[in-house]
Amino acid sequence: AQSVTQLDSQVPVFEEAPVELRCNYSSSVSVYLFWYVQYPNQGLQLLLKYLSGSTLVKGINGFEAEFNKSQTSFHLRKPSVHISDTAEYFCAVTVQGAQKLVFGQGTRLTINP
Amino acid sequence: DTGVSQNPRHKITKRGQNVTFRCDPISEHNRLYWYRQTLGQGPEFLTYFQNEAQLEKSRLLSDRFSAERPKGSFSTLEIQRTEQGDSAMYLCASSLRGAGEKLFFGSGTQLSVL
Repeated sequence: AQSVTQLDSQVPVFEEAPVELRCNYSSSVSVYLFWYVQYPNQGLQLLLKYLSGSTLVKGINGFEAEFNKSQTSFHLRKPSVHISDTAEYFCAVTVQGAQKLVFGQGTRLTINP
Repeated sequence: DTGVSQNPRHKITKRGQNVTFRCDPISEHNRLYWYRQTLGQGPEFLTYFQNEAQLEKSRLLSDRFSAERPKGSFSTLEIQRTEQGDSAMYLCASSLRGAGEKLFFGSGTQLSVL
């Protein structure tokens, strides 16, 4: 079975500062990895995903993530955040042939002016 | 593409009552998923349909829960004899293909059991 751990429940940063949201996963087989974002009162939206190939994945809104197999990590980064990035961010994992996503508990990103 | 639609947005019920939620996926998506999310947690998988066939159910889905997708289009999730522990946000998602594919989520139905 797969599992996901998001190491920080809350991350406060100042506007225009860089941010990293950490995600570690556990799986005995090759994985597909995702980051979803949930803005207030909205459904979850896909930010980016890693299926195979290049370990650096670029997503929407200037976010990127790096798959590190040896560290079993998939940390999300943005070099300069905006107030509009305030949201809950979820890391998720699945495996080839499976249909369900296993989500982490989420990280609340708060941007301070 | 009008997105995934869920109704109602909010449902308040008394313990022991039955409730039913509806999900309308994106029209061309043949895969439909139900998840449950409690405060401070990530979504937890409940069940999955490919067209009208329910292909996977989580152990979280007790016998009080039943889901249908009668014509491979909209889906309903019914909870019988609700308990306070059923209070959660119930999320529906759809996709065109399977694992590795982007899921499109609805805004959810917030259930409060008093």
